[in-house]
Amino acid sequence: TQLLKQSPQFLSIQEGENLTVYCNSSSVFSSLQWYRQEPGEGPVLLVTVVTGGEVKKLKRLTFQFGDARKDSSLHITAAQPGDTGLYLCAGGYTDKLIFGTGTRLQVFP
Amino acid sequence: GAGVSQSPSNKVTEKGKDVELRCDPISGHTALYWYRQRLGQGLEFLIYFQGNSAPDKSGLPSDRFSAERTGESVSTLTIQRTQQEDSAVYLCASSLVYRGQGYTFGSGTRLTVV
Repeated sequence: TQLLKQSPQFLSIQEGENLTVYCNSSSVFSSLQWYRQEPGEGPVLLVTVVTGGEVKKLKRLTFQFGDARKDSSLHITAAQPGDTGLYLCAGGYTDKLIFGTGTRLQVFP
Repeated sequence: GAGVSQSPSNKVTEKGKDVELRCDPISGHTALYWYRQRLGQGLEFLIYFQGNSAPDKSGLPSDRFSAERTGESVSTLTIQRTQQEDSAVYLCASSLVYRGQGYTFGSGTRLTVV
């Protein structure tokens, strides 16, 4: 069974702080995606990484795929209240995505 | 349509009744997925359709759950004899043929079994 564990499960921080969310598995994935979900909505794709060691930046967000393609991290610099939401990693396995357990982020002004 | 449309957005049903949830994918997206999300948790894979291939039903939790898709269009997820543990948000997503493509999700159907 493929399992993606995210840590931390919950994170409450002040505006302006930096944070890192981790996504770990014992399985190798063909790609790794990160999504953000707001209440009452479906998840929205933030980024896809496909190469081991790959780093992608999206404004204040930096995503990294582990060299062995088993783990990933999401780093947010100078968090803002608009970053609040549920962050989900998802690993590509055969023809479907396996989603992580989620990290709920709350950023206070 | 421009996005993935799901209906109804909310459904309250009595225990033991059957329910049907509908998903309209993005036109041209050959792949369609159903996931279940319990309160405050991640997404649990249910079933996957790809074109005319046999669906991947490996995530369906019991034989009370079934899904159909007509060609590359609408899909319905049916839950028979609903139980309280079926209460969750049911999310549908579609994508182009999956090779690292992102999914586009609908807003989900919130199912409450009372």
